[in-house]
Amino acid sequence: TQLLEQSPQFLSIQEGENLTVYCNSSSVFSSLQWYRQEPGEGPVLLVTVVTGGEVKKLKRLTFQFGDARKDSSLHITAAQPGDTGLYLCERGDDMRFGAGTRLTVKP
Amino acid sequence: DTEVTQTPKHLVMGMTNKKSLKCEQHMGHRAMYWYKQKAKKPPELMFVYSYEKLSINESVPSRFSPECPNSSLLNLHLHALQPEDSALYLCASSQDRHQPQHFGDGTRLSIL
Repeated sequence: TQLLEQSPQFLSIQEGENLTVYCNSSSVFSSLQWYRQEPGEGPVLLVTVVTGGEVKKLKRLTFQFGDARKDSSLHITAAQPGDTGLYLCERGDDMRFGAGTRLTVKP
Repeated sequence: DTEVTQTPKHLVMGMTNKKSLKCEQHMGHRAMYWYKQKAKKPPELMFVYSYEKLSINESVPSRFSPECPNSSLLNLHLHALQPEDSALYLCASSQDRHQPQHFGDGTRLSIL
């Protein structure tokens, strides 16, 4: 099984700060999904990236897919308490998740 | 509101009981999935159904038995579970395999 590494695992920041979460694989993959999960709920799809070098924006969230299609990042600008949650990347080829990043944004 | 509906939301059962988890979607998706999620861990893939046929079984113990009666329904039959099987069981669906998934809110299962 090819590993899908996600970092950092935990992140606690103040409201208004910026942050970046990384998702890396040792092999090329065809697509990657980013999800956000809140306690007591299932993961909710944020974005899918499929093209190397692709950048997608969702309000204050910016998603990048690496040129070599082995890595992806999620950048949040001016984080808000409502961004608190577990952020998960998932490789489309085998539907496996990274370990997740548990983000806490303090008011 | 999620478009994938899972029932029950909570289930407590003994190790000798037989129970079933149910999942339903009406989005016309042809792939459906079962995941297991332990506390503070990511979801782990258990089973994948594609066009109502089992296409992936991630070496799941036989005490978990999936069933896909039709394209909208997915069941997970449970028998003789162990305490370590206590977890959140998530169902998901997608238009086809390897497509982005829609998740239900899960069934929280506790084995006594």
